[in-house]
Amino acid sequence: GAGVSQSPSNKVTEKGKDVELRCDPISGHTALYWYRQSLGQGLEFLIYFQGNSAPDKSGLPSDRFSAERTGGSVSTLTIQRTQQEDSAVYLCASSKGWGGNTDTQYFGPGTRLTVL
Amino acid sequence: RKEVEQDPGPFNVPEGATVAFNCTYSNSASQSFFWYRQDCRKEPKLLMSVYSSGNEDGRFTAQLNRASQYISLLIRDSKLSDSATYLCVVNMRTGNQFYFGTGTSLTVIP
Repeated sequence: GAGVSQSPSNKVTEKGKDVELRCDPISGHTALYWYRQSLGQGLEFLIYFQGNSAPDKSGLPSDRFSAERTGGSVSTLTIQRTQQEDSAVYLCASSKGWGGNTDTQYFGPGTRLTVL
Repeated sequence: RKEVEQDPGPFNVPEGATVAFNCTYSNSASQSFFWYRQDCRKEPKLLMSVYSSGNEDGRFTAQLNRASQYISLLIRDSKLSDSATYLCVVNMRTGNQFYFGTGTSLTVIP
C-alpha cells in the first residue's frame, strides 16, 4: 500500500516568509509525528497527534511553529516568519497506534526547507 | 545526559565482516526499542523492532539488555549495501515521544 507522503519535497523561501508543509499518513494510521533533522544531526521531535486527543506540542521550538491535523488524517506544519535556523529536513511519520506492537513509525521522504 | 546515546563512529569494515553497535538509554521505564537505518539524504527506514530479549532477521540480530539499559545490533557478513547510518530509537511509553539517537555511521569497504 501507499506509504507516508509529504509535500513539497523541497522548499526554498526567504527569511520572514511563512511556509506550510503537508503530510499524508498511511491510511488507517491514527498516530502522526513531525520531526526535523538538521544537517548531520539526529531527529528532533516537534509534535505528535493521536486520534482525537489533544496533540503533544512539547517539542515545538517556538510559537512560530504550529501544526494541525484535519479529519484525523492529513497534517499541516506551519512555520511563520521563517528564520535561517529553521532550515532543515522536516520528516513526518505515522503509526497504527500507540502501545504494544502498533507504535512502529513509518517515515515520509521529508521536506527539505531552505531559508535564505 | 541524553535519553539515547550511540557511538557516532564511523565504523569502516571490510565486506564479510561482523560489526556490532551499542546504544544506551537513560530511562528504565522504556518499553519499546527499534533500530532504523538512514541512507544519506533519505528518510529513516525501520530495520528491526526489539520487544523482548532480542530477535534475529537474516544477517541482523538485535539484543536488549534491560538490566544494563542498552540494545545492540549485530550485522554478520557485511554487504556494501549495509553502508548507512543506524539509528537507535526508544519509546518511554510514559509519553508520546520517541527518542532517537544521533546514529552510528557504517561504511562497508570492498
